[in-house]
This record gives sequence, C-alpha cells and structure tokens, in this order.
Amino acid sequence: DAGVTQSPTHLIKTRGQQVTLRCSPKSGHDTVSWYQQALGQGPQFIFQYYEEEERQRGNFPDRFSGHQYPNYSSELNVNALLLGDSALYLCASSLSQWGYTFGSGTRLTVV
Amino acid sequence: AQTVTQSQPEMSVQEAETVTLSCTYDTSESDYYLFWYKQPPSRQMILVIRQEAYKQQNATENRFSVNFQKAAKSFSLKISDSQLGDAAMYFCAYHAGGTSYGKLTFGQGTILTVHP
Repeated sequence: DAGVTQSPTHLIKTRGQQVTLRCSPKSGHDTVSWYQQALGQGPQFIFQYYEEEERQRGNFPDRFSGHQYPNYSSELNVNALLLGDSALYLCASSLSQWGYTFGSGTRLTVV
Repeated sequence: AQTVTQSQPEMSVQEAETVTLSCTYDTSESDYYLFWYKQPPSRQMILVIRQEAYKQQNATENRFSVNFQKAAKSFSLKISDSQLGDAAMYFCAYHAGGTSYGKLTFGQGTILTVHP
C-alpha cells in the first residue's frame, strides 16, 4: 500500500517564476493538506482540499493556490516566487482528523 | 488562535536512558487532539503518539508515553530506553476536534540527539 508520494523531490527556481508541486495521497484517503516548513521550523498550514474544493486555508497570500483532482491527487502552485518561499513543502493525506500520513516533501529553493 | 510552544530547541540523551520533551499549548477549545511527530533526516513526518483531550488516561505506545496535563495545557513526551534510531526532530502538534477536518498546528520542534 503506497503512502503519500510527492514530486519532485528537489526543485530550484528563479525569483519571479511559477512552480507546481504534486502530491498523490495514500490509497483510500480523500483529503489533502499542504504545509510549508522553513529550515529549522515547524510546518505551517497552507490549505486543505476535500472533494476538489479548498476547505480551509492558512495565513498565506493568494500567490499560493491549489487544486484537487477526482482521483484525490493534488497540486500546489506558487506564483511570483520570492526568496522567502524557499522551504520544504509537505503534503499530508487523511480520511479522518487524526489519520494524517505525510509525504517526504519537496525541497524548493528560490534563487 | 491556537499556539503550540516547545521550549527546548535541543535535547540529548544517552542510549538506553530516558528523556522527556516538553510542549505547552494554548486553546480555548475543550475538544481537541494532541500529537507528537518525529521527523528524521528523510524529512517524512512520522506519527509517534496521539492523545484525545477528553481522555484522562495518558497515551502510551511501546517506549513512548505522554504526560497530558489538561488544566496546565501541557503535553510532554517521554522516551524510555532511548535508541540511536530515536534521533530526529520532534514536533508537538494540536488539532481542533468537533469537526472531521482541519489543520495541524505545530510547535517549533526539538532536535533530539542520542549518544551511544
């Protein structure tokens, strides 16, 4: 049973560019959440998707957007990249409020 | 807004010894869940233990146990018989109850080093 799969593993982008990160949830999970984790810090909640709708959002600007597909996979898009967007982006899938399974993340570096 | 505070940036322990990681939280909710996650260098967040706020009994999971003090809003993790594989970053996290969805609010983390 595959866990949460994120791609790519690492990514380097230039300031001002746009990036798309992808997440395939654990089999049977229908909810996907995205978190941003700066180096040496705890993860910060970006948003959560359920039934292809954004259900809850954290304190992130509109440059951060997402999508969930009918197969429950999800994308995180970030426009107009800033140096401060450099971080580890974690995807977590769930079926209940405590059954979160995390992926290994995408390390984004903005130069 | 809920906050989670881990006051120990780093902790160390000798192999086979016991270590306790501290966590405090702030919430006005009565129904919530608390978690300890482990993040090794592989970066994947792994659930160590969880506690439902309505349960008075402290959760245990093999060598891992918690001391949940609801009135004090304290949630510490005790690791007994520490092993080299326990070395990682540990995060305390909070999740509001009452709904079937929501976010995890994490603390800043504690780096645990295990000495052989």
